Order: sequence, then C-alpha cells, then structure tokens
Amino acid sequence: DGGITQSPKYLFRKEGQNVTLSCEQNLNHDAMYWYRQDPGQGLRLIYYSQIVNDFQKGDIAEGYSVSREKKESFPLTVTSAQKNPTAFYLCASMARKTGSEKLFFGSGTQLSVL
Amino acid sequence: DQQVKQNSPSLSVQEGRISILNCDYTNSMFDYFLWYKKYPAEGPTFLISISSIKDKNEDGRFTVFLNKSAKHLSLHIVPSQPGDSAVYFCAASPYTGKLIFGQGTTLQVKP
Repeated sequence: DGGITQSPKYLFRKEGQNVTLSCEQNLNHDAMYWYRQDPGQGLRLIYYSQIVNDFQKGDIAEGYSVSREKKESFPLTVTSAQKNPTAFYLCASMARKTGSEKLFFGSGTQLSVL
Repeated sequence: DQQVKQNSPSLSVQEGRISILNCDYTNSMFDYFLWYKKYPAEGPTFLISISSIKDKNEDGRFTVFLNKSAKHLSLHIVPSQPGDSAVYFCAASPYTGKLIFGQGTTLQVKP
C-alpha cells in the first residue's frame, strides 16, 4: 500500500530546541516537498528536492533545514532560528513527469511551541 | 506577491445546489492547474486538474473551467453534498516540479 508517512502526528518544541519532522514515501517518487500551512495563508513551500543529495529553498526556508540522503526520506529540521514554528507541516512527493505535476501529501504534523 | 489567489475565504451552499469556487492567477506562464480538497488535520487530496491547452475538464460531480485570457479558473461541484464540506485549494504549476497554492476556500454544504 503506497503512500507518504509523516511522523509524529503532534510535536511540541521548547524554546531554543531543534526538532525534526520525519517524512517517508514508498511511491518511488523522485521529488519531495515540505509545505507549511497557517490559517488563512494556504500552503507555503519551505524546501524541495528533485533528486537525492540535492535540494532547493522554497519561499520560506529561513529557520529550517533538510537533507535528502535517500530517495524515500526527506526529513525537515525546525531550528531554534525559526521564531514562529507553530503550524501544520505537510510533506509531499511527485513523480517527475512533465504535464502531470500532481503532488501526493502525507497526513501532516502539527508542531506547537511549549 | 501572491501569484495564485482565492479571494473568497469561505462559501456556504445548500445541499443539492451548485458550488462554485474561484481562483485567479497572475503568471501567464502557468500551464497546469489543480484543485485539492483538505479536511482538518489531514493532508490535501487531489481532486481534479486541467492543462492550459484545455478549457474544461470533468470528473463526475466535479468540473474545472479555465479562462486563460482572464487568468481565471473555477471548480464547479454539482450537486453539492455535505461530505464536500472542506477547504479547497487551487494550485498552479510554473514549471516542472513546482506547485504554487492559493490561500484556500472553506466550503460548507448545509443539509
């Protein structure tokens, strides 16, 4: 049963702490993405990776870091430099096929600050 | 600079009637458009898409219309059902591998 798995479902961060959100996919997709959802602001792109060992900044990359060591995995670290981390984080993947840019999303991680 | 805009934050419709959700974009280079549906605390799910070479695409109760000259697309749901109540996002692709999302419209279908 193919899909995208995000964990944990809920995560709490203390002041000054780095936290890592996990994202794993078994769809054999080349490209993976991290979005952040805030109320009334839609989905904003944080980072994306179109191939292993390569990634690009999205629109709101400050305070975040990623790695792409394996095709299946694209973890996101929310660093202490991210001053407003409370949001719903969504991981997605896409097969690299022109004319069919369809993203498949995980079920999300809600990050809150203690 | 919001390249994809959904100007209506919310829409309320009676069950059985038509729901029309609108989306405007600014970049004429966008060539592929999608609609996603999202329930609270879940990831968005793909609903329907349209290529810029078409002006209409249908899938069951869902139809997407594209007006390239006006840089406008709309999603029609007929007939609307209570289970359609969700947030709907439109998205546009400026090039392979990237999607830009609108702010979303919350649809409420009343029984």
